[in-house]
Amino acid sequence: AQTVTQSQPEMSVQEAETVTLSCTYDTSESDYYLFWYKQPPSRQMILVIRQEAYKQQNATENRFSVNFQKAAKSFSLKISDSQLGDAAMYFCAYSLLGGAQKLVFGQGTRLTINP
Amino acid sequence: KAGVTQTPRYLIKTRGQQVTLSCSPISGHRSVSWYQQTPGQGLQFLFEYFSETQRNKGNFPGRFSGRQFSNSRSEMNVSTLELGDSALYLCASSMRTSGTGGELFFGEGSRLTVL
Repeated sequence: AQTVTQSQPEMSVQEAETVTLSCTYDTSESDYYLFWYKQPPSRQMILVIRQEAYKQQNATENRFSVNFQKAAKSFSLKISDSQLGDAAMYFCAYSLLGGAQKLVFGQGTRLTINP
Repeated sequence: KAGVTQTPRYLIKTRGQQVTLSCSPISGHRSVSWYQQTPGQGLQFLFEYFSETQRNKGNFPGRFSGRQFSNSRSEMNVSTLELGDSALYLCASSMRTSGTGGELFFGEGSRLTVL
């Protein structure tokens, strides 16, 4: 069974600084998707960034980028120029290509932004 | 475009009762999936419906069931409620077409408390 592990229950960063959230996963599949979702205090989950495993290039979305290491099964999220609005729970998630609506989530990392 | 709408937002039930939660997906989205979120177990996949058919099912007992209507709206039902069913139940919708893997749009959830 696929598993996703986020080893940092909580992280904090100063506003405007850079922070990296860690995620490792376990799978025997070669084709899959990896995601970072954000859940602000309002509870609505929002997709931050997505990575297809067959793509070697790391995904980027404005201030958000990932470091995808397929061999190491590592998928970290880097947030640059942190803003107060980035404060939220961040979940790393995995899905197979064919079962893309069935996500396996990590336990989450609570990110605090200090002004 | 309206987002994913879940009703009710909050509800309190007692053990042994049953509950029905409703989810209206984003217009045009034909896939609806359900997740249970608890502090202990995190986010866990319940099931997914597409075109009124259950496509995927998570590892939950038969007390958890769902259905989807022809307008893509979905309901999930939990019978014989147990204390451990207290959770935030999240609904997510998606286009479920090739190349859109994993881009789920979540509702704000239904908070169920079982006493």
